[in-house]
Amino acid sequence: GEDVEQSLFLSVREGDSSVINCTYTDSSSTYLYWYKQEPGAGLQLLTYIFSNMDMKQDQRLTVLLNKKDKHLSLRIADTQTGDSAIYFCAESIRGGGNKLTFGTGTQLKVEL
Amino acid sequence: GAVVSQHPSWVICKSGTSVKIECRSLDFQATTMFWYRQFPKQSLMLMATSNEGSKATYEQGVEKDKFLINHASLTLSTLTVTSAHPEDSSFYICSAREGASSYEQYFGPGTRLTVT
Repeated sequence: GEDVEQSLFLSVREGDSSVINCTYTDSSSTYLYWYKQEPGAGLQLLTYIFSNMDMKQDQRLTVLLNKKDKHLSLRIADTQTGDSAIYFCAESIRGGGNKLTFGTGTQLKVEL
Repeated sequence: GAVVSQHPSWVICKSGTSVKIECRSLDFQATTMFWYRQFPKQSLMLMATSNEGSKATYEQGVEKDKFLINHASLTLSTLTVTSAHPEDSSFYICSAREGASSYEQYFGPGTRLTVT
């Protein structure tokens, strides 16, 4: 079955790095995603990683995937106040019609 | 590019009435659209998947007669909440995918439904 878990809350200081973690249970995942949701808004795709990759870097964002442990992380370097939002990881399953299963969401609060 | 809009952005309706939410892909043709609902401080739950010109596929536990989905064109899908009740109050978000093999879904801004 599909079950995606995240820690609920993370607080960091501006300029520090943030690391948001996600664990999933379905080994058939093909793509894993990170989305950002600001209050009252829809979702913005930040980055994604294919399941045969270990790492992907995109400017301030670094995604690490440990397929053996079914663990995904998102590192945000030089975190800014504008990064405050809820971050969702999501997986799509091979043969699942590219349906997304979302994690529980992590609220990131960036303090001055 | 790849913009998805929803209308209305928020709606208040009385219990027992029906309300229609539109989801449009503005600059691409969406072969597949997805409807999600999100309760406060919770994750997104997939309600149904709709493919243009065919019946929607509903997730387990979602009443197809209550949540009517129509995907009549490649740029428009609608969700109608029939005989709404206060427990249907939620944030409804749609997403659209351009091609059958596309890995990316583009999300709309969401519609806040409040049933009084």
